[in-house]
Amino acid sequence: TQLLEQSPQFLSIQEGENLTVYCNSSSVFSSLQWYRQEPGEGPVLLVTVVTGGEVKKLKRLTFQFGDARKDSSLHITAAQPGDTGLYLCAGAGGFKTIFGAGTRLFVKA
Amino acid sequence: EAGVAQSPRYKIIEKRQSVAFWCNPISGHATLYWYQQILGQGPKLLIQFQNNGVVDDSQLPKDRFSAERLKGVDSTLKIQPAKLEDSAVYLCASSPGLYSGNTIYFGEGSWLTVV
Repeated sequence: TQLLEQSPQFLSIQEGENLTVYCNSSSVFSSLQWYRQEPGEGPVLLVTVVTGGEVKKLKRLTFQFGDARKDSSLHITAAQPGDTGLYLCAGAGGFKTIFGAGTRLFVKA
Repeated sequence: EAGVAQSPRYKIIEKRQSVAFWCNPISGHATLYWYQQILGQGPKLLIQFQNNGVVDDSQLPKDRFSAERLKGVDSTLKIQPAKLEDSAVYLCASSPGLYSGNTIYFGEGSWLTVV
């Protein structure tokens, strides 16, 4: 059974701090996606990474796919209250996409 | 472009009652998903359709849950009889193609409370 483990489960930081969240698996994925979910809404795609070692930047967010395509990280620089939400990683392979349990981020003003 | 539409938005039922959720995916999207998201957890796939055929329903509790996607467009998810542990958000989602790695577009969810 494929599993994606995310850490930390919960993170509360002050505005302006940097943070990194992790997504790990023992399985190899064709691609890995990061979604953000705000309260009362469905998840929304932030990025898809496909190539091992790939790094993508989205404003203050930097995503990296591990060389072996088993893990990924999301780094946020100078976090803002608007970054608050549940960050989900999703591993894709074949017909299936599986989601991790998420990292719940709270950024205090 | 209209997003994934779901109804009802909220539902409260007593245990052993039945409930049905409806989903209209983004126009032209072949793949439709139903996920269950329990508070504090990530989405768990219940069933995945490609057009009107089932691709994966391995985690659907078939003794009480059923889903259909007639004509390959709209879908309904039914729970009968409901249990307390079914309290969750039921997310419908769609994507353009069959293969994973496509963007999955989610609806806002149907919030179910079983009392």
